[in-house]
Amino acid sequence: SFVLTQPPSVSAAPGKTAMMTCGGNNVGTKSVHWYQQRPGQAPVLVIYNDSDRPSGIPERFSGSNSGNTATLTISGVEAGDEADYYCQVWDSSSDHYVFGSGTKVTVL
Amino acid sequence: QVQLVESGGGVVQTGKSLRLSCAASGLTLSNYGIHWVRQAPGKGLEWLAAISFDGIKKYYRDSVRGRFTISRDKSKNTVSLQMNSLTTDDTSIYYCARGSDSVPVATAFDYWGQGTLVTVSS
Repeated sequence: SFVLTQPPSVSAAPGKTAMMTCGGNNVGTKSVHWYQQRPGQAPVLVIYNDSDRPSGIPERFSGSNSGNTATLTISGVEAGDEADYYCQVWDSSSDHYVFGSGTKVTVL
Repeated sequence: QVQLVESGGGVVQTGKSLRLSCAASGLTLSNYGIHWVRQAPGKGLEWLAAISFDGIKKYYRDSVRGRFTISRDKSKNTVSLQMNSLTTDDTSIYYCARGSDSVPVATAFDYWGQGTLVTVSS
């Protein structure tokens, strides 16, 4: 089955940039979605279809996807961005949705 | 207020059954695919099942196929997850989520409920 690999943690100082990856075999051929989950809360969609932002999500959040790696970038990191971030794809070969294991973002 | 609300969670013994429901207020479920996702304590998200807008197409992860059944009641604007033969590994917060299209394939999940806790005890 399809596997998405995320680094366990990423950190950045306030105002700096946090980048996190989501690796998978030819993930660039799939649509990748990203979710933010703050402690004790439900996930929130922050990027869909690789790079689109839902309404209400700040422009600081951006995404890209090519080859074997998708990337979520948070520019101008704020304390409120501390959360777990999960990438997700649909695996058509198994008719399953797959989530990555999640990356914990720490704001220093 | 736009929200999904899960209900039906609780404590159950191994081998027993539980039925979860997902209701919506402020938004419609009827034209969208609906998903169930769970999260074990301290763990990541795990997709479980999905149902198309018309209830015809259903998808399950392998580990729950045959034990879990997803269904929808259009008249009540609800989606349910029937869970049978529960084990301690099923202990999790269970979320329902709305897919962004009528067919629950390759879509993002644009609205999520707050989750309902299921604890399976031996």
